[in-house]
Amino acid sequence: GENVEQHPSTLSVQEGDSAVIKCTYSDSASNYFPWYKQELGKRPQLIIDIRSNVGEKKDQRIAVTLNKTAKHFSLHITETQPEDSAVYFCAASGVYKLSFGAGTTVTVRA
Amino acid sequence: NAGVTQTPKFQVLKTGQSMTLQCAQDMNHEYMSWYRQDPGMGLRLIHYSVGAGITDQGEVPNGYNVSRSTTEDFPLRLLSAAPSQTSVYFCASSPGEETQYFGPGTRLLVL
Repeated sequence: GENVEQHPSTLSVQEGDSAVIKCTYSDSASNYFPWYKQELGKRPQLIIDIRSNVGEKKDQRIAVTLNKTAKHFSLHITETQPEDSAVYFCAASGVYKLSFGAGTTVTVRA
Repeated sequence: NAGVTQTPKFQVLKTGQSMTLQCAQDMNHEYMSWYRQDPGMGLRLIHYSVGAGITDQGEVPNGYNVSRSTTEDFPLRLLSAAPSQTSVYFCASSPGEETQYFGPGTRLLVL
């Protein structure tokens, strides 16, 4: 089955700086890569996703890049704000099965 | 639309007890799934369904049963609860194979 590894497990950044989270996956058949944000005590919520026929996607301060050859994808958050503090999960999907990374706890210092 | 709803929000069980976690969605999504979330392990797929009458196992199915008699409902049954099943359980639905929408979760404590 699919194995998704996510790094780092914790990330502390100064407000206004950028944050980068990296993930690798094992199954070359995976073709959909979403990122979820989970605030304490809340449900995971989709923040951005990318499909295997696209190399990069951007939505305001967040962007995701995908390297299919190397089987890795990354989340970039620019101009971080206190409300960006949360746990972020990457995931990779084959047919009907979404496999998640272990999560990155992001703390934005004021 | 209420989206994806789950009941109960919190439950305490004794070892060996059985219970059913309820999940419902009103978005007419064909695909539904159950995940458990444990500290440091992300979300792991327990069971999923691609439509009424069709279910399949995920990554960690042991100790859990599911059924899908209607498009709207996808209950998860714990047959004989064990302390290792203490976790937060999330139900999710999707219109297809991709974007999943999560319910608010059920916190389960097995003593």
